[in-house]
Amino acid sequence: DAKTTQPNSMESNEEEPVHLPCNHSTISGTDYIHWYRQLPSQGPEYVIHGLTSNVNNRMASLAIAEDRKSSTLILHRATLRDAAVYYCILRDNDMRFGAGTRLTVKP
Amino acid sequence: DAGVIQSPRHEVTEMGQEVTLRCKPISGHDYLFWYRQTMMRGLELLIYFNNNVPIDDSGMPEDRFSAKMPNASFSTLKIQPSEPRDSAVYFCASSLTGFGYTFGSGTRLTVV
Repeated sequence: DAKTTQPNSMESNEEEPVHLPCNHSTISGTDYIHWYRQLPSQGPEYVIHGLTSNVNNRMASLAIAEDRKSSTLILHRATLRDAAVYYCILRDNDMRFGAGTRLTVKP
Repeated sequence: DAGVIQSPRHEVTEMGQEVTLRCKPISGHDYLFWYRQTMMRGLELLIYFNNNVPIDDSGMPEDRFSAKMPNASFSTLKIQPSEPRDSAVYFCASSLTGFGYTFGSGTRLTVV
């Protein structure tokens, strides 16, 4: 069973920030929080991951709650190419995907 | 780096035939994963290897499915005999401990 809970879908306007939430209330101390996205007709693509501290990379930012029971993936300026299904996953050894959040970006 | 390479990209086979999917992970990665994706069930983890050793195969649907990793640069997923309900996109992914996964482009399997 997936250990994370995400909204089924979200919408955003182009060039606006997007905050994608994820709840993982049963997270253990060794679980890393990973985010992936899957564009249409492609394999999943790594976005970002973290353990306790907030993380930034060229694709996105990851904000992790102090109790680690939730996290938020932040896309600072959504583009049409960011339309995808976004998966939040906990990784200890393996990774099991849930249904993810389908992000729609409107021009 | 060529990334994770899967072959074939598409496979159409008749029910009852043997199907072999192939994966070449990224050099140096110590984990390899096989996933299956369908509209109904989403992304399912089938099996994963660590240093070429199968660690968890609890996701393999039934005995018709088998996976091997004879060396660090090659893995196969075999279905024998194949059935129409096996039709799906099969993804291979590899990773280094502590880092994110890199997925291949997938093999779209159609069993008629």
